[in-house]
Amino acid sequence: VLTQSPLSLPVTLGQPASISCRSSQSLVHSDGNIYLNWFHQRPGQSPRRLIYKISTRESGVPDRISGSASGTDFTLKISRVEAEDVGVYYCMQGTRGYTFGQGTKLEI
Amino acid sequence: EVQLVESGGGLVQPGGSLRLSCAASGFSFRSYYMHWVRQAPGKGLMWVARISSDGGSTSYAESVKGRVTISRDNAKNTLYLEMSSLRGDDTAVYYCARPLNGGFDSWGQGTLVTVSS
Repeated sequence: VLTQSPLSLPVTLGQPASISCRSSQSLVHSDGNIYLNWFHQRPGQSPRRLIYKISTRESGVPDRISGSASGTDFTLKISRVEAEDVGVYYCMQGTRGYTFGQGTKLEI
Repeated sequence: EVQLVESGGGLVQPGGSLRLSCAASGFSFRSYYMHWVRQAPGKGLMWVARISSDGGSTSYAESVKGRVTISRDNAKNTLYLEMSSLRGDDTAVYYCARPLNGGFDSWGQGTLVTVSS
């Protein structure tokens, strides 16, 4: 189970934002990787992957967006929120099947 | 450019059936496992089903097992999802997704399935 917090995140433009995703069990795959992803979904759009394997950014994702981990706690950070960042953020694990967190709604 | 285009959604009565399609282009479809993920209105994402690159292996979420069949036609670069005994809680946007690096790097635009009388 992946538990995200907060579920709602009001932010101010230019300020930092942080979303937590806690796993109920280890996400270390037998190949040694940790398949923890972060997605962003704008209203009416499909999800877009931002980060995979905890901290690797997809092509085109700005470096103000970053991912990190401490044990089974994972964090997505936005250093300076911009208007385009609004929407819902989901963490997802691909180590044991595929499960998503509940989503965190970021709003300005 | 990777493209995934779903179709086949619509309004269906409870207990009815529907077949969704996902046309893939821009990559070697036959080389990839493929997945279906759904999202109920106003809700989060839920993985539904997975199929191996040659179609020989499939896996399903418990909530749809026995009512859903994932399949593919590599000659047509098309992924399918056959759904039967549909219930109200199957109402959702259904996305096909391509896996890469332990997640999904490409998604279609989705097709809406509404189960209602």
